[in-house]
Amino acid sequence: NAGVTQTPKFRILKIGQSMTLQCTQDMNHNYMYWYRQDPGMGLKLIYYSVGAGITDKGEVPNGYNVSRSTTEDFPLRLELAAPSQTSVYFCASYPGREVYGYTFGSGTRLTVV
Amino acid sequence: KNEVEQSPQNLTAQEGEFITINCSYSVGISALHWLQQHPGGGIVSLFMLSSGKKKHGRLIATINIQEKHSSLHITASHPRDSAVYICAVKMSGGGADGLTFGKGTHLIIQP
Repeated sequence: NAGVTQTPKFRILKIGQSMTLQCTQDMNHNYMYWYRQDPGMGLKLIYYSVGAGITDKGEVPNGYNVSRSTTEDFPLRLELAAPSQTSVYFCASYPGREVYGYTFGSGTRLTVV
Repeated sequence: KNEVEQSPQNLTAQEGEFITINCSYSVGISALHWLQQHPGGGIVSLFMLSSGKKKHGRLIATINIQEKHSSLHITASHPRDSAVYICAVKMSGGGADGLTFGKGTHLIIQP
C-alpha cells in the first residue's frame, strides 16, 4: 500500500496564482484532513472530510477550498495565492476507529512570492 | 479550547542517554498521539494511547488521564532519533475534526 500520497512536494507560486494540492489514499479511510504547519506552530486544520461528498471547515479555512468526489481523493485548492499561505501542507487520513492512528502524507512545501 | 503544551521545546543530548519528552493538555480526551517528523520530512505516527503505557522498540509512551499528562521516553538514544516529536490529542465528544497539536519538541542526539 502507498498510504497517503501528496503532490507536488515543492511549489513556488506568485501572488494571485492558483494551484491544487493533490492528496490520494489507498487505505479506504473515510476521514481525510488538510493541515498547514508554520514555523514554531502546531499543525492547524484547514478542511476535513468524513466521506465522499462531505467536507467541512477547520480552524483556518480562509483562502482554500476542497472537494471529495471519491473516497480516495481530497484535493486542496488555493484560488488567489497570498504570502500568508506560505507554509508546509500535510494531508492525513484516518479510518474512524480509535484503535488505529492517523496516516500522513509527506507534505507539500509551498512558497508564495 | 483545548491547549496542548510540550516540554522541553528543544533538547540536545548525547548518544546513549535516556530521553523524556512531556505533553500536557487541558480538557478531556479520547486519545493521545505521539508523532515523529524528521527534518524536511513527513510525519509518522509512533503511538496512539487512551490509557496506560505502550512500548515499541526503544520508545515508550505513557499517559496519566487524571493528571492530563503524557510522556514519551527514548532509551539508549541514537543520532537517528534526532527529529521533532509532536504530541496531539483527540478531544472527548469531539466531532470528526481531527487532532489538536502541540508545537513539537526538537530533539538532537549528538554522537
